[in-house]
Amino acid sequence: NAGVTQTPKFRVLKTGQSMTLLCAQDMNHEYMYWYRQDPGMGLRLIHYSVGEGTTAKGEVPDGYNVSRLKKQNFLLGLESAAPSQTSVYFCASSYRDRDQPQHFGDGTRLSIL
Amino acid sequence: KQEVTQIPAALSVPEGENLVLNCSFTDSAIYNLQWFRQDPGKGLTSLLLIQSSQREQTSGRLNASLDKSSGRSTLYIAASQPGDSATYLCAVRSFGNEKLTFGTGTRLTIIP
Repeated sequence: NAGVTQTPKFRVLKTGQSMTLLCAQDMNHEYMYWYRQDPGMGLRLIHYSVGEGTTAKGEVPDGYNVSRLKKQNFLLGLESAAPSQTSVYFCASSYRDRDQPQHFGDGTRLSIL
Repeated sequence: KQEVTQIPAALSVPEGENLVLNCSFTDSAIYNLQWFRQDPGKGLTSLLLIQSSQREQTSGRLNASLDKSSGRSTLYIAASQPGDSATYLCAVRSFGNEKLTFGTGTRLTIIP
């Protein structure tokens, strides 16, 4: 079972470069989420989507954009990377029912030099 | 604004002992509380989800309780094993919110 798959697993960027992180899920989940995890701060929600073609801002959306063109994919873009965006990024997905758990990918470790 | 706290940040116990991990939250208006496990370099694995109307949930050696009125949850691990070593995170889903609010976790080490 693939579950939630994130690519790439690691990436190093220079300040000002752009990149896209891909999340794919094969569980037919309606909801998808992008979090970042930083030491001592817990996971924080960047953006989320409640269905194909929809996106919404989370706690820390600045500097990121997202798209959900297909139900199974959720893309996170950094247009102009900054050192403050060095983090581990996690994608998650869940059914619409609020009492269903979120399922997480293994993360993308991103360093901005 | 919901805040979730987990104390202690790290805990070491000998193998075989029973242990309790703590989670507290500031706003009791929640849909549910979820406990996760995170292994180094890995994502989060959902362990237990307690709905706001429930008092506890059990899965194998794990038992999670919820006291919504006091804003507390505990994760009880029975007969701990070295394979239980990981970081344990709790998260709450508040009313009117699609997101989870996470604690910063407790890093558990089981000493063989």
